Amino acid sequence: EPEVTQTPSHQVTQMGQEVILRCVPISNHLYFYWYRQILGQKVEFLVSFYNNEISEKSEIFDDQFSVERPDGSNFTLKIRSTKLEDSAMYFCASTPKNSYNSPLHFGNGTRLTVT
Amino acid sequence: RKEVEQDPGPFNVPEGATVAFNCTYSNSASQSFFWYRQDCRKEPKLLMSVYSSGNEDGRFTAQLNRASQYISLLIRDSKLSDSATYLCVVNRAGTASKLTFGTGTRLQVTL
Repeated sequence: EPEVTQTPSHQVTQMGQEVILRCVPISNHLYFYWYRQILGQKVEFLVSFYNNEISEKSEIFDDQFSVERPDGSNFTLKIRSTKLEDSAMYFCASTPKNSYNSPLHFGNGTRLTVT
Repeated sequence: RKEVEQDPGPFNVPEGATVAFNCTYSNSASQSFFWYRQDCRKEPKLLMSVYSSGNEDGRFTAQLNRASQYISLLIRDSKLSDSATYLCVVNRAGTASKLTFGTGTRLQVTL
């Protein structure tokens, strides 16, 4: 079964540094998402992306965050200047269509630790 | 009131037991409902969608009560491998991509 893959599995960075988290969505999917989960808390929506544009974002997704699909396969989340509170698991997901009946299938996540 | 509310547990049950989890959601415009399972420090994995008429998948049965804004998950004949956190997930109309997660209910199945 095709999978969403994420790299790296664990990223450690210092406060104020830029990080890029990478995702390879399932190949025929058109809609891409980032979610995050702070340790011990619930999974939270960050952003959705379609046709090279952000289609929806949450209040968490401020100017420090950006997303990009630089080529036909990768989907990246960049945090410009990391803060301690950005430490979390970041999950990427993709779907073939934007239907509320389409459940999301998540990648294995990147654990970001900001020190 | 939280958008999606679950009892955090933990629920400690012996192997073979039947266990039920409940979830309430606050937004009556919610359109679709799911149960996800999450193992420690892993990604959430879809367990099953929840349909208005209720649905069953093997040992798992999900029910939806729109009038009470309530979703349930029943696990029969619990296995050790069912030990995980069960996440109630809701999707509002018009926000197809924006899933709202509960904090999860932790299940520990013991010998």
